[in-house]
Amino acid sequence: DAGVTQSPTHLIKTRGQQVTLRCSPISGHKSVSWYQQVLGQGPQFIFQYYEKEERGRGNFPDRFSARQFPNYSSELNVNALLLGDSALYLCASSFIAGGGSPLHFGNGTRLTVT
Amino acid sequence: EDKVVQSPLSLVVHEGDTVTLNCSYEVTNFRSLLWYKQEKKAPTFLFMLTSSGIEKKSGRLSSILDKKELFSILNITATQTGDSAVYLCAVEALGGGATNKLIFGTGTLLAVQP
Repeated sequence: DAGVTQSPTHLIKTRGQQVTLRCSPISGHKSVSWYQQVLGQGPQFIFQYYEKEERGRGNFPDRFSARQFPNYSSELNVNALLLGDSALYLCASSFIAGGGSPLHFGNGTRLTVT
Repeated sequence: EDKVVQSPLSLVVHEGDTVTLNCSYEVTNFRSLLWYKQEKKAPTFLFMLTSSGIEKKSGRLSSILDKKELFSILNITATQTGDSAVYLCAVEALGGGATNKLIFGTGTLLAVQP
């Protein structure tokens, strides 16, 4: 079975631009979460979606937004990019959203903002 | 503020050694504690712990949770070079709206020398 897949794997953008990252969960998983991992740090929670509804949001500015589609795939959008947005963006899926189901992560999208 | 602290930050051992990685936490609405191994990109799920005192084992790896003292340890016996990675500890916190966000520590970088 395919794991969590993310695209693109790498991305280079300029300050002020906008970016869209994509994620397909493991088949049968209905919850998708997004995390930002800055070099040398643990991942930080950005969003969680379950059944196409936002179920949680971390401490990130409104420049960050996301959505989940009927097939449970998800997109993360970041507007007005800043240098500090450079990071590895990880998508994770789980069977349910309420806990008790471990998150399984994709390989991430490495975003570099210049 | 919720926090997860891992120690040591880094560790260098020789093949065959036994290592113990530590994770302490202060998290409201605790549900579970998870360990992940991160080599290059995707954190790979190792264990999910919900009950105190019950050891979970997988091959040479084992982990236990102490909910009274708010910590967990991850043991790796007979280490191999393939165990070299960052080991991430994360606490699952239940939030409003049935979220199960993970709060990560900064990780322990383990290097196993031949």
